[in-house]
Amino acid sequence: GNSVTQMEGPVTLSEEAFLTINCTYTATGYPSLFWYVQYPGEGLQLLLKATKADDKGSNKGFEATYRKETTSFHLEKGSVQVSDSAVYFCALTRRNAGGTSYGKLTFGQGTILTVHP
Amino acid sequence: KAGVTQTPRYLIKTRGQQVTLSCSPISGHRSVSWYQQTPGQGLQFLFEYFSETQRNKGNFPGRFSGRQFSNSRSEMNVSTLELGDSALYLCASSLGPPRPQLVTGELFFGEGSRLTVL
Repeated sequence: GNSVTQMEGPVTLSEEAFLTINCTYTATGYPSLFWYVQYPGEGLQLLLKATKADDKGSNKGFEATYRKETTSFHLEKGSVQVSDSAVYFCALTRRNAGGTSYGKLTFGQGTILTVHP
Repeated sequence: KAGVTQTPRYLIKTRGQQVTLSCSPISGHRSVSWYQQTPGQGLQFLFEYFSETQRNKGNFPGRFSGRQFSNSRSEMNVSTLELGDSALYLCASSLGPPRPQLVTGELFFGEGSRLTVL
């Protein structure tokens, strides 16, 4: 079956530090990959996505590249801010035969990020 | 436009009781999915509904059930509650088929209903 493995947390950084959160996946076929973020007391929000190999998703200074050869989708940001403190989830969904994906996502365990001033 | 609305936000039940949680999707969204979030198991898919039909189901016992109404609103029910059912239950909506989304699999989540079973 499908699975997503994220690096263990929590991750604690100082403001302006470089961030990497590793994510690897196991899936048959050609999954779409996502990073979702959950701020304290809020629901999950889509941060970025990539739907095919070598795609780079980017948003709010965060980037992740879909690497099919290493089955990875690592999240990076060059300079984190205190406001980036949140839980980050890597996720995938499989396309069905019709090419559309529905609402079933497989999530990683989540990585807690804390950024100090 | 209004986001995904879940009610109630917090509730406390005792073992053996049942609970019903409600979710109103974003206007125009026809697919509703439910997830259970716990510290130990993380985010686990419960089920997905589209056009009042269950399309996918996760690996949860039959005590967990759901339904979707003609206006796309959805409810999930857990019967005979157990201590292990304590969790944050998240609802997510998406456009769903037949029209492919610009971003397949992009879900819009509500803030969740936090259930505590005593």
